[in-house]
Amino acid sequence: AQSVTQLGSHVSVSEGALVLLRCNYSSSVPPYLFWYVQYPNQGLQLLLKYTSAATLVKGINGFEAEFKKSETSVHLTKPSAHMSDAAEYFCAALRRNQAGTALIFGKGTTLSVSS
Amino acid sequence: KAGVTQTPRYLIKTRGQQVTLSCSPISGHRSVSWYQQTPGQGLQFLFEYFSETQRNKGNFPGRFSGRQFSNSRSEMNVSTLELGDSALYLCASSDSNPGANVLTFGAGSRLTVL
Repeated sequence: AQSVTQLGSHVSVSEGALVLLRCNYSSSVPPYLFWYVQYPNQGLQLLLKYTSAATLVKGINGFEAEFKKSETSVHLTKPSAHMSDAAEYFCAALRRNQAGTALIFGKGTTLSVSS
Repeated sequence: KAGVTQTPRYLIKTRGQQVTLSCSPISGHRSVSWYQQTPGQGLQFLFEYFSETQRNKGNFPGRFSGRQFSNSRSEMNVSTLELGDSALYLCASSDSNPGANVLTFGAGSRLTVL
């Protein structure tokens, strides 16, 4: 069964530091992959999507993700963290079969940003 | 375009009661999916509707049900509520084009079962 693993349930960085959130997926075929962000008491907001067209995908708010097929990873990065980046981040893979589609989510990583 | 609208945003129920949550998708989106988010289990897929038909279902008991109307609005129902049903229920819509596959989520309905 397809699965998504996010390494580290909590990541803390200082403002201005590099943000690196790790995600690995298990699939014999590179799936559609997504990163979502969730702020307190809100729903999920799409940061970026990877659809195999390129290995590096740029998203909103300065985030980007590099897809590495050999490592089955799609880690999320941002060169310089802002206080407003503090939130929970979810990696997800789209499972598509004859029955329909569904997102398989990782457990999430909470990002804390200190001044 | 208005986003995905979920109502109510917050509700409190007691064990044994039932609850109905509503979701209005983005205009033009015909696919609506529901997800349950809990601290322990994370985000889990409940079901997906397209053109008033359930075309995909997650691993949840039969107490969880849903439907979709001709205007694409969707409702989900949970009967005989249990404490463990306390969660944030998220609805997402997509336009179902093969090249799209992007789900847009609503703000969620937070259910507390006492």
